Amino acid sequence: EAEVAQSPRYKITEKSQAVAFWCDPISGHATLYWYRQILGQGPELLVQFQDESVVDDSQLPKDRFSAERLKGVDSTLKIQPAELGDSAMYLCASSSDSEETQYFGPGTRLLVL
Amino acid sequence: AQSVSQHNHHVILSEAASLELGCNYSYGGTVNLFWYVQYPGQHLQLLLKYFSGDPLVKGIKGFEAEFIKSKFSFNLRKPSVQWSDTAEYFCAVRNTGGFKTIFGAGTRLFVKA
Repeated sequence: EAEVAQSPRYKITEKSQAVAFWCDPISGHATLYWYRQILGQGPELLVQFQDESVVDDSQLPKDRFSAERLKGVDSTLKIQPAELGDSAMYLCASSSDSEETQYFGPGTRLLVL
Repeated sequence: AQSVSQHNHHVILSEAASLELGCNYSYGGTVNLFWYVQYPGQHLQLLLKYFSGDPLVKGIKGFEAEFIKSKFSFNLRKPSVQWSDTAEYFCAVRNTGGFKTIFGAGTRLFVKA
C-alpha cells in the first residue's frame, strides 16, 4: 500500500538555527498539505499545495517559515530561524484532489532547545 | 471562524463497554465530516467520513458516526470496545466551499483489558 514518506522522523535543533523537513506524497496525488500539531492539540494546516501552486498558506508564519513544491511532487518545509515555540510534530498529507480523503505521513517531531 | 469541538480530552473504558465520542462544529454551510484515528506509534488514518447521503456512516473496525445537521454534530460510536481501540481520535470538518480541513483537539481513549 502506498504511503506518504517524511524525513527526518526526529529533529533536535537549537533556537535560531535553520531546519528543513521533506515530504514525498503518494504517487499521483495532486494535493499536498503541511500541518503542525502541538502536543495536546489537533493538526493545524500550515500550507496546502495543488500541484506546484500554493492554494492556502494563511496560517503559515511567513517571516520564518517557507514551503515549496517545485515540480509538483515532493515538498520541503523550512524554518529559519527556529524558535522554542516551533517544537511540535510536523505532518505531511496528500490526497488525489482537494475534495478527497487525506493520507498522512508519520510526521517529523521537532524539538527546539 | 470555523471550529471543531471534541467534548472529552480523555476517556477510559473497560473492554466491551460502549463508546460515544462527541464532536460539534461551527459552520453554517455544507460540510464534509471525518473521524481520524492515531494508534500508538502509528500515523493518522481515516476511520470514516461523511460527504452526503445516509447520515449514519459506518467505518472500519466496527465504528460508526451519525451526522445530525440540526445539532451540528458528528458523534463517533462503537457498541463494544476492545483493548486494541486504545488510540487518539480526531474529528475534522471541511466546508465544501473551501479547502481547509479543521481538526478538533482530539480525544485520547484508553481501553482497560
